[in-house]
Amino acid sequence: DTGVSQDPRHKITKRGQNVTFRCDPISEHNRLYWYRQTLGQGPEFLTYFQNEAQLEKSRLLSDRFSAERPKGSFSTLEIQRTEQGDSAMYLCASSHPEGTMSYEQYFGPGTRLTVT
Amino acid sequence: GQNIDQPTEMTATEGAIVQINCTYQTSGFNGLFWYQQHAGEAPTFLSYNVLDGLEEKGRFSSFLSRSKGYSYLLLKELQMKDSASYLCAVKDNDYKLSFGAGTTVTVRA
Repeated sequence: DTGVSQDPRHKITKRGQNVTFRCDPISEHNRLYWYRQTLGQGPEFLTYFQNEAQLEKSRLLSDRFSAERPKGSFSTLEIQRTEQGDSAMYLCASSHPEGTMSYEQYFGPGTRLTVT
Repeated sequence: GQNIDQPTEMTATEGAIVQINCTYQTSGFNGLFWYQQHAGEAPTFLSYNVLDGLEEKGRFSSFLSRSKGYSYLLLKELQMKDSASYLCAVKDNDYKLSFGAGTTVTVRA
């Protein structure tokens, strides 16, 4: 397995448009996370899945944001009616279940979103 | 809320040692992580501390004092490729990481 992959790597969109990003985690990882990172800041937690269940959603995530992981494998993050403030790097990470094997979160390369 | 503080920037010479400090105040504590992030790339895992003390991994070491809410990352024998942002992150429950803003380390020849 080559690690966590994300698609697309870059997305430029006009304000008001909808965008969808995809994350493919490491295959044996049942935990999947989405983070957002702006320039000069660390990643901020957005949401977390254990298998197909979305177990937490940050208050940072407005109603315009939705994430799914329908079969417990890949995940999508959709932003509706994008705003300029949504411009950021969206990072996906995955990990083993707590208490097993290893504990670190493995990050994908990110999708850089620019809203014009 | 979560409060994780680390210096914004540090500069050091190739071959030298640099220590990046991190202080934290979080609602829970299930371990402290250090990640390295090169510009435009994903964060990559460096170290994990859950008990007090020093963890050593090659040129990188990390220290934790839970009573003081304090950690540091020690980078020895600095190389040019070590120029990157170093992120301190606290796992405040069994899954969520709260990150500091990162410390940009510049290694000069």
